[in-house]
Amino acid sequence: DAGVIQSPRHEVTEMGQEVTLRCKPISGHDYLFWYRQTMMRGLELLIYFNNNVPIDDSGMPEDRFSAKMPNASFSTLKIQPSEPRDSAVYFCASRPLGLLTGELFFGEGSRLTVL
Amino acid sequence: LAKTTQPISMDSYEGQEVNITCSHNNIATNDYITWYQQFPSQGPRFIIQGYKTKVTNEVASLFIPADRKSSTLSLPRVSLSDTAVYYCLVGDKATGYSTLTFGKGTMLLVSP
Repeated sequence: DAGVIQSPRHEVTEMGQEVTLRCKPISGHDYLFWYRQTMMRGLELLIYFNNNVPIDDSGMPEDRFSAKMPNASFSTLKIQPSEPRDSAVYFCASRPLGLLTGELFFGEGSRLTVL
Repeated sequence: LAKTTQPISMDSYEGQEVNITCSHNNIATNDYITWYQQFPSQGPRFIIQGYKTKVTNEVASLFIPADRKSSTLSLPRVSLSDTAVYYCLVGDKATGYSTLTFGKGTMLLVSP
């Protein structure tokens, strides 16, 4: 199994530019999560999907952030316009519905730097 | 949501046993206690989960007292490669653990 795949691994952009982060969850997984990690705030849940439907987006910082899951094998997190304070590592994770444990399968993350 | 509190950092030496304690005073009846490990430049990785008493796997042991207001992750005979951040979380199995909150975790530094 290839695991959760995220792209790009690194992105450097200038303030005001649009940023799109991509995630391919593990095949067959029903839940997909987007997290953001910074030194100041630790690892924060931004949004999660169940069967491609957004369930809870209360962690999304503001309207500049949006996430979509057009199908079971693909999700995007978009920031428009980006700001320096959005610099962080963004993780995508997935898990199957019937898993008895609280195990989330994380990707390797996308490190975003906004200048 | 149940909030967890754990030390910001801990230091140890190779070969020692390390115990990381986490408090979760307002844990709910349906909540399970889950621990993750994160190495630099990687996503968190599931270590162990329990509801009460003791759970052991090939990586660690998890001790949970009867009142479940705290839990202790025990790493036997740590090595340099155990240097990582360890997260304690509580979540409801019924919701698919969708409300897991990671926080800042405990940075464990293992020295030679």
